[in-house]
Amino acid sequence: SAVISQKPSRDICQRGTSLTIQCQVDSQVTMMFWYRQQPGQSLTLIATANQGSEATYESGFVIDKFPISRPNLTFSTLTVSNMSPEDSSIYLCSVASGRVGEQYFGPGTRLTVT
Amino acid sequence: GDSVTQMEGPVTLSEEAFLTINCTYTATGYPSLFWYVQYPGEGLQLLLKATKADDKGSNKGFEATYRKETTSFHLEKGSVQVSDSAVYFCALSPRQAGTALIFGKGTTLSVSS
Repeated sequence: SAVISQKPSRDICQRGTSLTIQCQVDSQVTMMFWYRQQPGQSLTLIATANQGSEATYESGFVIDKFPISRPNLTFSTLTVSNMSPEDSSIYLCSVASGRVGEQYFGPGTRLTVT
Repeated sequence: GDSVTQMEGPVTLSEEAFLTINCTYTATGYPSLFWYVQYPGEGLQLLLKATKADDKGSNKGFEATYRKETTSFHLEKGSVQVSDSAVYFCALSPRQAGTALIFGKGTTLSVSS
């Protein structure tokens, strides 16, 4: 199994600012995923991040709003830019385990935008 | 596209009651199916999985059977405990390795003693 940590665990930010969320994995992984979980809702995939290539964004998510970096096989960052209250969510990173479909999730970053 | 539909919550039960959380899916091909659990204040954890038709996944007293004919993967437990209180997510993954998961909306379970 993989152990995933995220920083920060929570933050309260003002609208118009940006926050960068870090995701660290204790082993090398090829694919990392970033999800958003809005209050009372399910998880929605934001993007898939492979090391050495541009992230692939899902419909409704754009790079200017959610830039992602993936500098190596154990680390990734997601930035939430020009935040508004609608961005208040839990943001989770996950990694594929190598077994079909199985993923390990980080503990999440709880973001509140005021 | 592929999708997952699970029963609306919240589900409120007394300790030792029987639990069923319904989950149906729509997918092309033969996806793998999963139940994830999210305890209060924690990230998601894999609870159980099934990778082909008629497979039964089980863990911690929970079970779910992959029913291709009814495109279902209902979660059951014979006797719930207070510690089972959590949000349960049904999910599917297409056959390709590493493909992101598609989640249902989640069902909140609350168990009282």
